[in-house]
Amino acid sequence: SAVISQKPSRDICQRGTSLTIQCQVDSQVTMMFWYRQQPGQSLTLIATANQGSEATYESGFVIDKFPISRPNLTFSTLTVSNMSPEDSSIYLCSTRQLYGYTFGSGTRLTVV
Amino acid sequence: GIQVEQSPPDLILQEGANSTLRCNFSDSVNNLQWFHQNPWGQLINLFYIPSGTKQNGRLSATTVATERYSLLYISSSQTTDSGVYFCAVEFHTNAGKSTFGDGTTLTVKP
Repeated sequence: SAVISQKPSRDICQRGTSLTIQCQVDSQVTMMFWYRQQPGQSLTLIATANQGSEATYESGFVIDKFPISRPNLTFSTLTVSNMSPEDSSIYLCSTRQLYGYTFGSGTRLTVV
Repeated sequence: GIQVEQSPPDLILQEGANSTLRCNFSDSVNNLQWFHQNPWGQLINLFYIPSGTKQNGRLSATTVATERYSLLYISSSQTTDSGVYFCAVEFHTNAGKSTFGDGTTLTVKP
């Protein structure tokens, strides 16, 4: 299965700033997914990113807050914009393989 | 709407005990996976099991798709088994998206 390298692994950011999270896959994949996991909660899908088209966002998530880039079939970024303490979460990227979904190691974001 | 329900929400065991975690889902599935999330937040894929039974060491899983449930068995539990176990489902009606249950938090005491 694909291996996903995600960075940074963790960061502490000031409110009002933005953070860009990167995911690199070791093989070409059609779709990449971005999830948020708030403290003590399950994972919630933020958006689906296809190469060459705009990301598709789930209800409750908007492009201005979570812009996504997908410049090629092995790479994607998620930006968390104008951060507030409520954005403190683990953010994970994922791909769909033949035998299920594979996840990056996650980015633990704390906003102070 | 489509739902994934896991039980129990919390489980505390003594080392060496066995346990069964359950995942109920509301509709037909393309894909079902069990994950273990370690204390660092990393999701470890345990099983890809949309149907049938699989075993991997002390862990095994069974999915009965016609009855819309899956079970994860942990035998002879160890402290390193502690963490959160998630069931994630891709429904036929929501292909290409994985829906997570709320998880079971397992604590294994020495």
